[in-house]
Amino acid sequence: EAGVAQSPRYKIIEKRQSVAFWCNPISGHATLYWYQQILGQGPKLLIQFQNNGVVDDSQLPKDRFSAERLKGVDSTLKIQPAKLEDSAVYLCASSPLAGGPRNTGELFFGEGSRLTVL
Amino acid sequence: QKEVEQNSGPLSVPEGAIASLNCTYSDRGSQSFFWYRQYSGKSPELIMFIYSNGDKEDGRFTAQLNKASQYVSLLIRDSQPSDSATYLCAVGGQNFVFGPGTRLSVLP
Repeated sequence: EAGVAQSPRYKIIEKRQSVAFWCNPISGHATLYWYQQILGQGPKLLIQFQNNGVVDDSQLPKDRFSAERLKGVDSTLKIQPAKLEDSAVYLCASSPLAGGPRNTGELFFGEGSRLTVL
Repeated sequence: QKEVEQNSGPLSVPEGAIASLNCTYSDRGSQSFFWYRQYSGKSPELIMFIYSNGDKEDGRFTAQLNKASQYVSLLIRDSQPSDSATYLCAVGGQNFVFGPGTRLSVLP
């Protein structure tokens, strides 16, 4: 079974430029997450999709970040314009289950996209 | 927004010792709790989940949950150098919130 695919693996841009990250979850997984992980910190949830719909985007900086999940499958996370503090690894994860109190927590992570903003 | 706290470490233990990792959470209504391991430069991977008060054992790993104290811990017995990693506590529900992680170093 193919895992969660992410691209690009690495990206270096100057501040105020834009960047887009792509994620293809495991086939059939209903829930897709984007996390931001700054060096030395835990992953911070940016946005959670269930199928096509957004479940939680409360921590997404909507003035510069946007995300969409096309037809409930692939997802794209965009940053425009980028700031220095956006330098981080952007992790995409998927889960076969919808969120809920008894979700087993088996999030399948991609390898991440490392962004450096100069 | 629920919060999850962990000691950042690093926690250093000698090979063969027991490593004890701790986590507290803010949302008293939380019902599901997870430990993930993250090697440097890699993505997190699930080690264990626990829902009920008490202990849950899986090989060398034991998760402990005390909902009254809003406290979760992970014990690693017979620690090995290959256990050296960052351990992330996560609280589930409608979404997953991760703690900052504790860096564990097992010294040969």
